[in-house]
Formats: sequence, C-alpha cells, structure tokens
Amino acid sequence: QVQLQESGPGLVKPSGTLSLTCAVSGGSIISSNWWTWVRQPPGKGLEWIGEIHHSGSSNYNPSLKSRATISVDKSKNQFFLKLSSVTAADTAVYYCAMVVPPERNNWFDPWGQGVLVTVSS
Amino acid sequence: QSVLTQPPSVSGAPGQRVTISCTGSSSNIGAGYDVHWYQQLPGTAPKLLIYGNINRPSGVPDRFSGSKSGTSGSLAIAGLQAEDEADYYCQSYDSTLSNSVFGTGTKVTVL
Repeated sequence: QVQLQESGPGLVKPSGTLSLTCAVSGGSIISSNWWTWVRQPPGKGLEWIGEIHHSGSSNYNPSLKSRATISVDKSKNQFFLKLSSVTAADTAVYYCAMVVPPERNNWFDPWGQGVLVTVSS
Repeated sequence: QSVLTQPPSVSGAPGQRVTISCTGSSSNIGAGYDVHWYQQLPGTAPKLLIYGNINRPSGVPDRFSGSKSGTSGSLAIAGLQAEDEADYYCQSYDSTLSNSVFGTGTKVTVL
C-alpha cells in the first residue's frame, strides 16, 4: 500500500524559497503516472499547486505565477516542491498525494500527513 | 478563489440525512468532468470519500453517497453520526484553467 511522507523546513523567511520533499513508500514512483502537491492555509480551503509525471513533465496552477517548480527523483522514489519569492500568504500546510487516473477526471489518493510551513522573519 | 462553490456549513441531528452541494459551471462539472469528494477530520489530511461522482473506495461506509447533475455534484450523508463531524471538499477539473480545482469546503456539524 502506497504511503507518502512530506518533509522540509517548517519556517522560511519572506522572499526566500520553500523546499519540500515527498517520499513515496510501499510502491514505485513510476507505478502511478502523476504525483501532486496541494496546500491549505490555516483555517482555509484546499488549493491545487501542481503535478509531476515520473517522466518529468509537469503542470502548475496559474495563480502561482511561475513561482512553483515540481521535480522528481526516480532513484530515490521522491518528488519535490520549490516555491520561490514566498510571502506570508504562502503559509500553509502542504500535502503531497498520488494522482489516480484517468487524465482530467483524476482524483487524489492517498495523501501524505502534511507539513506546516510558516513564512516569517 | 475557487470555481466550485459549496455551502460553508450544514448541520443535522444524529441519524438525520444531510446533503452538500458543489456548484460549478460549463467549464468544469457541466463540461462532463467527474466530481470527487474528500473528508477532512480535524487536524488530519483529506481522505478520499467518493470518486467518479458515485463510487466509494473500500472501507467508506455506504451511508456516504454521491451524485452529479448538470453543473453540480452532491454528497449525501445518511444516518449522521458524531464521527462524521468534519470538513468536506469536492474536486473536479476545469478546462478553462487547465487544472484540478477544489470546492470552497463545507463544515458538517452534528447537533
């Protein structure tokens, strides 16, 4: 059974870069086509950030204005999120999840437990 | 802001039936894209509840059911229980944005 675990710094300074890792266990990262990142500001709803294919292809939420970069390391069974030029508005719990096909009708399952990232000086 | 609109809150007594709507448009649900539902218990990650409009993953009680009509999806909880108190989110795909989108979320309170 596939499990996901997020990790990374819990505190990032304004204008800095947020960097997170999602470790996939219980299965190979190439067993599913796509993997995704979702975030949730404190007390607010869910926001889709983007997704990565194990080949390296990626798609992003246009609202993040090219600040987000998702990458994958098949040898480590991990994928990553970098978010640049962060502000307090980027403070959120960040989740990684597996994307279940079919394309454009896909859903997310399972999810990692999430990691809280606070942007503050 | 989300393109899928849900009521901020719904409530019901134990044993009652409640429904949560997820209203979209012609570029997402109305375009034929599926609606999926997630349950988020306090302090935990979202959990898949309904996929493909009507399907329940293994382990999800049959008290939960989904439906879709036109530009909206709906989640029903029958025989409401205290453990159902959580936030619920719908999710679909939007062809204008070319990405997955979530609903605004609904808090279910068991009276």
